Amino acid sequence: QQQVKQSPQSLIVQKGGISIINCAYENTAFDYFPWYQQFPGKGPALLIAIRPDVSEKKEGRFTISFNKSAKQFSLHIMDSQPGDSATYFCAAPDNDYKLSFGAGTTVTVRA
Amino acid sequence: DAGVIQSPRHEVTEMGQEVTLRCKPISGHDYLFWYRQTMMRGLELLIYFNNNVPIDDSGMPEDRFSAKMPNASFSTLKIQPSEPRDSAVYFCASSLGRASGNTIYFGEGSWLTVV
Repeated sequence: QQQVKQSPQSLIVQKGGISIINCAYENTAFDYFPWYQQFPGKGPALLIAIRPDVSEKKEGRFTISFNKSAKQFSLHIMDSQPGDSATYFCAAPDNDYKLSFGAGTTVTVRA
Repeated sequence: DAGVIQSPRHEVTEMGQEVTLRCKPISGHDYLFWYRQTMMRGLELLIYFNNNVPIDDSGMPEDRFSAKMPNASFSTLKIQPSEPRDSAVYFCASSLGRASGNTIYFGEGSWLTVV
């Protein structure tokens, strides 16, 4: 079964700063690594995903960096904004049909 | 599309009562998932269906939990009898294609409190 270890549990960043969240996975059989964003009272929603044929993917202020040899991937939030305050989950496939989610990182952006 | 629709959004019930949570997946999606979210255990997959057929229910905590998908547009998660430790947010989600490579769309959740 896939084990996904996510850190840190929470972080506080000033507006305009960079937030970095890290994830490590075990099962290398699959090639799809998404990040989900969850606001209070809402369900998680896909933020960005990467396939390891590339080492980095950027969408706006959000970037995934992928290190296949280390079995790690990270989310960078550049120029963090108060609206980015949310809980972020990394995920990795457990098998063809299910994802295992990390424990989540609560990001607080101070204005 | 309206997204994944869940009901009720909030439910408070007494221990021992039956709880039924309902879900309407996104039209055309062939996978449906039920997740439970708690502070202690995070997001746990309880069961998932493919084309209305239950594929893996290994995450269902005990026999008190059951799930059905009688057609492509409706699923239920039932807890009978409910216990205080079942208090959690229950999410229904759906995807077009396998979760290992496609977006999972979550509903807004059903917040269950068992007292």
